[in-house]
Amino acid sequence: DQQVKQNSPSLSVQEGRISILNCDYTNSMFDYFLWYKKYPAEGPTFLISISSIKDKNEDGRFTVFLNKSAKHLSLHIVPSQPGDSAVYFCAASGHNYGQNFVFGPGTRLSVLP
Amino acid sequence: EAGVTQFPSHSVIEKGQTVTLRCDPISGHDNLYWYRRVMGKEIKFLLHFVKESKQDESGMPNNRFLAERTGGTYSTLKVQPAELEDSGVYFCASSQDQDFDRALSTIYGYTFGSGTRLTVV
Repeated sequence: DQQVKQNSPSLSVQEGRISILNCDYTNSMFDYFLWYKKYPAEGPTFLISISSIKDKNEDGRFTVFLNKSAKHLSLHIVPSQPGDSAVYFCAASGHNYGQNFVFGPGTRLSVLP
Repeated sequence: EAGVTQFPSHSVIEKGQTVTLRCDPISGHDNLYWYRRVMGKEIKFLLHFVKESKQDESGMPNNRFLAERTGGTYSTLKVQPAELEDSGVYFCASSQDQDFDRALSTIYGYTFGSGTRLTVV
């Protein structure tokens, strides 16, 4: 049973608009959440993270929102750029997980010029 | 600094053969991880080394998989004998410390390699 879910396998957005990628998790023991971006034939690269004691973290065009009660987080990209086209993975961890992350299946974002 | 290096980038082997994947972490990184992505699904944890010791190998699918990290530097992941369901992309990652930094309330992900795409036919 997947503990981290990304229910949208793909998303298309027009350049300059907002991209919203969603992630749901089932394990209330998760303390930390991260987003990774992956281009074809490359490894995932870290994008942004958030701790469970916060509900928002911002880094430039990227903002992650966490709703603990709903066990939901989202990644907002504003404005979206063609270079943002990639697969985005949501990942979660916690002290009970040591240093390992549980990943979702990914969402493929296509930003159309 | 050089990133995490994995080779080969691709490997095609027949069922029943043996394959060895190699990972060179970022120099000085004590933590080394192996993950696997099968059939475009989620990336799943395999195991975690701290230096040369296996910290957690709970994700290893079965005893056909053997990981080593002699001397606490590079690591190898051997699959013997390979089965069709072992096909996928094997990622290695490394980190210096696990920065569960409560003061800043943020953590930093580790650095992944580009992966080895293994195809078992």
